[in-house]
Amino acid sequence: GAVVSQHPSRVICKSGTSVKIECRSLDFQATTMFWYRQFPKQSLMLMATSNEGSKATYEQGVEKDKFLINHASLTLSTLTVTSAHPEDSSFYICSARGAGEGDEQFFGPGTRLTVL
Amino acid sequence: GQNIDQPTEMTATEGAIVQINCTYQTSGFNGLFWYQQHAGEAPTFLSYNVLDGLEEKGRFSSFLSRSKGYSYLLLKELQMKDSASYLCAVADDKIIFGKGTRLHILP
Repeated sequence: GAVVSQHPSRVICKSGTSVKIECRSLDFQATTMFWYRQFPKQSLMLMATSNEGSKATYEQGVEKDKFLINHASLTLSTLTVTSAHPEDSSFYICSARGAGEGDEQFFGPGTRLTVL
Repeated sequence: GQNIDQPTEMTATEGAIVQINCTYQTSGFNGLFWYQQHAGEAPTFLSYNVLDGLEEKGRFSSFLSRSKGYSYLLLKELQMKDSASYLCAVADDKIIFGKGTRLHILP
């Protein structure tokens, strides 16, 4: 299957700082990328859907000014957690879907964010 | 609204067979996925069903009945490494995940 990378895999930051997470599709062009967060022992919660070159569509209850998403190219999307707080600590996972790939999404390995 | 139900936890014995059920109610339907997720890792794709019937892939099989809003994942010849969470996900205009079923395998 297609390969999606995420960087960093793990990040620890102080409360009030901003953290950027990168999601890259390595061997295909991702027309759509999805960002999920997952709390321990819970399922994935879709945060937003981003299409290359357009604004992200956020799910209800997700603050777009806090979770900034940029999908500047067909292989890169970034999620920036602004002014992070301890309650933002979570596992963030991106996935990517390319044109002609059907509905299958290819997941990145995830980023574990811990806010102190 | 969207609703996907699957059991929270199941336990089975190594070498046995286990069936994990999933029922869904969604406004649209473009297919149903099963993913496996080990603790601390991202989900990995297991199967995709868009038509009614059974799809077999090695030790894993997945069944879909669109009229009943029902699917199951069947795991045969269970191995200890199959201990994981299994996520049922339905594709509408986006993919919505169920809460996952934690499968415990006993030796």
